[in-house]
Amino acid sequence: SQTIHQWPATLVQPVGSPLSLECTVEGTSNPNLYWYRQAAGRGLQLLFYSVGIGQISSEVPQNLSASRPQDRQFILSSKKLLLSDSGFYLCAWSPGWQGGYTFGSGTRLTVV
Amino acid sequence: SQKIEQNSEALNIQEGKTATLTCNYTNYSPAYLQWYRQDPGRGPVFLLLIRENEKEKRKERLKVTFDTTLKQSLFHITASQPADSATYLCALDNASGGSYIPTFGRGTSLIVHP
Repeated sequence: SQTIHQWPATLVQPVGSPLSLECTVEGTSNPNLYWYRQAAGRGLQLLFYSVGIGQISSEVPQNLSASRPQDRQFILSSKKLLLSDSGFYLCAWSPGWQGGYTFGSGTRLTVV
Repeated sequence: SQKIEQNSEALNIQEGKTATLTCNYTNYSPAYLQWYRQDPGRGPVFLLLIRENEKEKRKERLKVTFDTTLKQSLFHITASQPADSATYLCALDNASGGSYIPTFGRGTSLIVHP
């Protein structure tokens, strides 16, 4: 069966520090991968999606970036965090055809 | 602009009753509409998907309807239980370059009282 792993679960980082969140999927190949952010009391905001290795599409311009170095690995990064980067970050995958999206357990990021 | 609207006010119902949640959208022509459940501090969990050419879909105590003329989906939970208390999100898919890009509503909180 397919599983998605996302870590860390919580993170407290100072303003201006770098960020690296990792997401991996097991049990499938060539998944579509997504990064979302959910601010408190807000909806899910799509940040990046990827349909293949090295293919990244950005939905929202900001100081975050994403990379897909391997088929089932998706990384969210920042060189310098802002206070406004605080939120709940979720990775998700889909098989490419339409069957719903499977989310990871999320990372709660607090920038202080 | 494209918009997905879900009732921002929490829905409070008594155990055993049917909960009905609404998802309205504008400026979309979605091929698929999905419903998810999200518990506090957790990622959303996929519940049901309905296609544009389907009027209704059922799964156990869950029922989803999809009216592309009204641009509305209704999500029903029959015989509701306190364990059904959660936030429910609807999502629409935009097709882009052969891939599906999901957009989520903000969700409606359901509280089932014993």
